Amino acid sequence: GQSLEQPSEVTAVEGAIVQINCTYQTSGFYGLSWYQQHDGGAPTFLSYNALDGLEETGRFSSFLSRSDSYGYLLLQELQMKDSASYFCAPRLPPIKAAGNKLTFGGGTRVLVKP
Amino acid sequence: GAGVSQSPRYKVTKRGQDVALRCDPISGHVSLYWYRQALGQGPEFLTYFNYEAQQDKSGLPNDRFSAERPEGSISTLTIQRTEQRDSAMYRCASSKSQDTGELFFGEGSRLTVL
Repeated sequence: GQSLEQPSEVTAVEGAIVQINCTYQTSGFYGLSWYQQHDGGAPTFLSYNALDGLEETGRFSSFLSRSDSYGYLLLQELQMKDSASYFCAPRLPPIKAAGNKLTFGGGTRVLVKP
Repeated sequence: GAGVSQSPRYKVTKRGQDVALRCDPISGHVSLYWYRQALGQGPEFLTYFNYEAQQDKSGLPNDRFSAERPEGSISTLTIQRTEQRDSAMYRCASSKSQDTGELFFGEGSRLTVL
């Protein structure tokens, strides 16, 4: 079977750092994506890790350890606009051909307070 | 267009009716994906296409659900004999490449079955 675990909710103040952990168990694994979704909006891509290590994109960084089936998203210098849901999404082997078949968990709701 | 376009944005139908949801991906994007998202949950994979070929339909819940992309661009997700449990946000996404973990999601079609 497949499972994804990430915290359901995190609260922090502006300027703080938040780390959202994600552990996964999947049948096959190509990499780990992270998405942000504001209430009422569409999910938007943040990052993708295919290899172990840290990827940095501005205030956001993502880390992957394939041997531990673990990754995290680090949000630095939190701003009010970062209040949203964040999803980790393992990229899985598709049935026939290459593709970005992603499976999403329940997400982590981040609430940023002034 | 600039982004993934879905129509209708809202659809209310009576149980037992058929519905067709349309997706117009970003121009030039090879791959097209259909997801379903319940309130407070992450997107759930349904099916995807590379060009006009349906590569993986393992996420379609049952045989009332079907999808096509006959000319490799616009796609239609059809639900026959709708049931109340089909009520959800149906999201289409497209990707330019097939291995970056990056999907561009549309604003979705919210289906309500009465």
